[in-house]
Amino acid sequence: DQQVKQNSPSLSVQEGRISILNCDYTNSMFDYFLWYKKYPAEGPTFLISISSIKDKNEDGRFTVFLNKSAKHLSLHIVPSQPGDSAVYFCAASRNNAGNMLTFGGGTRLMVKP
Amino acid sequence: NAGVMQNPRHLVRRRGQEARLRCSPMKGHSHVYWYRQLPEEGLKFMVYLQKENIIDESGMPKERFSAEFPKEGPSILRIQQVVRGDSAAYFCASSPRTGNVNTEAFFGQGTRLTVV
Repeated sequence: DQQVKQNSPSLSVQEGRISILNCDYTNSMFDYFLWYKKYPAEGPTFLISISSIKDKNEDGRFTVFLNKSAKHLSLHIVPSQPGDSAVYFCAASRNNAGNMLTFGGGTRLMVKP
Repeated sequence: NAGVMQNPRHLVRRRGQEARLRCSPMKGHSHVYWYRQLPEEGLKFMVYLQKENIIDESGMPKERFSAEFPKEGPSILRIQQVVRGDSAAYFCASSPRTGNVNTEAFFGQGTRLTVV
């Protein structure tokens, strides 16, 4: 049973436009959510996170929205840049569980110049 | 401050051999996690260790896989008698001691294991 799902395996957007990456989860015990960016042959790089007590967190061009009732979160990148092209992973963890992460399958974002 | 260091970056083993993957956490981090990524899939949690203790190994295969994080030295993920299905990217992550507060984990660049 996949507890964290990213239903779009790929997304293509034009440079300067908004990229919206979506993530759904099923385990209501998750209370901390993260987005990681990954280039080929490299490890995941932390982007932004959100606690379940919030519904929005913003950091520069990146904003994460959390809808707890729908068990859904999204990552908005605006404006998108060609350097943002990578695979984006959504991850979730439970407090008091040692920060072990459950990852989604990833979404490959391609930003066209 | 060096990041999470993994070595080797690439490892080729014949079926039946042993694979040893090493991970040195970021300075000041006392929590280490190992994840495996199969081709075209997300990362799957394997094991969570603190110094000299395995905290959670619920993601580890029951046989042939073991992990340790000794008092001195790097964390080691050991795979005995490797099979082709063990071919994957293995990532180590570390996080600081934060009690019960969640924080992000920082990942190494991974070890790509190929079993031939």
